[in-house]
Amino acid sequence: DQQVKQNSPSLSVQEGRISILNCDYTNSMFDYFLWYKKYPAEGPTFLISISSIKDKNEDGRFTVFLNKSAKHLSLHIVPSQPGDSAVYFCAASARSSGSARQLTFGSGTQLTVLP
Amino acid sequence: DAGITQSPRHKVTETGTPVTLRCHQTENHRYMYWYRQDPGHGLRLIHYSYGVKDTDKGEVSDGYSVSRSKTEDFLLTLESATSSQTSVYFCAIRGGPTDTQYFGPGTRLTVL
Repeated sequence: DQQVKQNSPSLSVQEGRISILNCDYTNSMFDYFLWYKKYPAEGPTFLISISSIKDKNEDGRFTVFLNKSAKHLSLHIVPSQPGDSAVYFCAASARSSGSARQLTFGSGTQLTVLP
Repeated sequence: DAGITQSPRHKVTETGTPVTLRCHQTENHRYMYWYRQDPGHGLRLIHYSYGVKDTDKGEVSDGYSVSRSKTEDFLLTLESATSSQTSVYFCAIRGGPTDTQYFGPGTRLTVL
């Protein structure tokens, strides 16, 4: 039972356009959400996060939107650049996991930005 | 750079042999985690530690054990490796007030 789902395994976008990556979750106890970027043969790199008390967080070209009623979050990249081509994972943590604050990950979306 | 190293970076072993992977941090963070990454599954938590000698199981802990005798080192052991444990293993640390975890470069393990 996947609690965090990324239903699009891949996404292709033209350079300069907007990339929108989506993530759905089922656990209503999740209260903190993160996006990671991963290049081949490297570890995941933290990108941006959002607390459940907010509905938007922005950092440069990256914006994360959270819709709690729909249990949906999205990552917007504007403008997209070829260097953004990577696998993007969304992750969530729950109050119920205690102080360890375990992360539950989605299966990832491969973003390809075409020059 | 989150100050995390993993060793070895690559390993090929045979079914039934014991394997130990090491994660080393220079940040003095309390929490450390071991994940495995497989196609179609994202990252799944194997074990985690919340202090020296304090560890607990994650989602996919069967066939794995861990130890943490020092703050900076977190070891993952496969007592008797199986082909289903062929994967890429990532270590992560967390020490700040948020839930953000920072990952090491990974170890690619192949069990023949």
